[in-house]
Amino acid sequence: RKEVEQDPGPFNVPEGATVAFNCTYSNSASQSFFWYRQDCRKEPKLLMSVYSSGNEDGRFTAQLNRASQYISLLIRDSKLSDSATYLCSMDTGRRALTFGSGTRLQVQP
Amino acid sequence: SAVISQKPSRDICQRGTSLTIQCQVDSQVTMMFWYRQQPGQSLTLIATANQGSEATYESGFVIDKFPISRPNLTFSTLTVSNMSPEDSSIYLCSALAGAGPSTDTQYFGPGTRLTVL
Repeated sequence: RKEVEQDPGPFNVPEGATVAFNCTYSNSASQSFFWYRQDCRKEPKLLMSVYSSGNEDGRFTAQLNRASQYISLLIRDSKLSDSATYLCSMDTGRRALTFGSGTRLQVQP
Repeated sequence: SAVISQKPSRDICQRGTSLTIQCQVDSQVTMMFWYRQQPGQSLTLIATANQGSEATYESGFVIDKFPISRPNLTFSTLTVSNMSPEDSSIYLCSALAGAGPSTDTQYFGPGTRLTVL
């Protein structure tokens, strides 16, 4: 079983839609969780950190469910510029990160 | 935050040769890492670059194939040795910056796109 699993998508949604991605993890000892955004041919950039029960930043909400070992990312009022690959990641315990395979989002006009 | 640059940004190499990738961070950072991202795949950690000592490699990666240097707190190199087409990938340097474990953020360089013929 992979350490981190994500639905690869693609998720095709219209502008203004709400979309949610889930990510499950197998290492129950993981303490720190992150969502990164990666545009085509670019490096990953941190979107949100998820440290405890979750957090919100504008249109983006991240949730952590330790009992079920998953994290989620909710994007409200999708914009065309939200089109990207969203990578779920977590600390390995050695300060490095392990990543999911990414979920591709395409927001349609 | 940390701004990371990598050189070269891309290269096309012949099999059997070696390429050294440089990573420069604009500030002193405690930890630096090297990842690989193969086409259509996610990132895989190659190793942690330790300042002043040997790198710590992940399972499946060895020092003879991917020697790493980190002479100071802002610079690291990764060499891809005796290359084969299977080494074609994007190689990304990253650095951990922040005030501590609860606030550290991992920043990534722009990557080096390597094609081996």
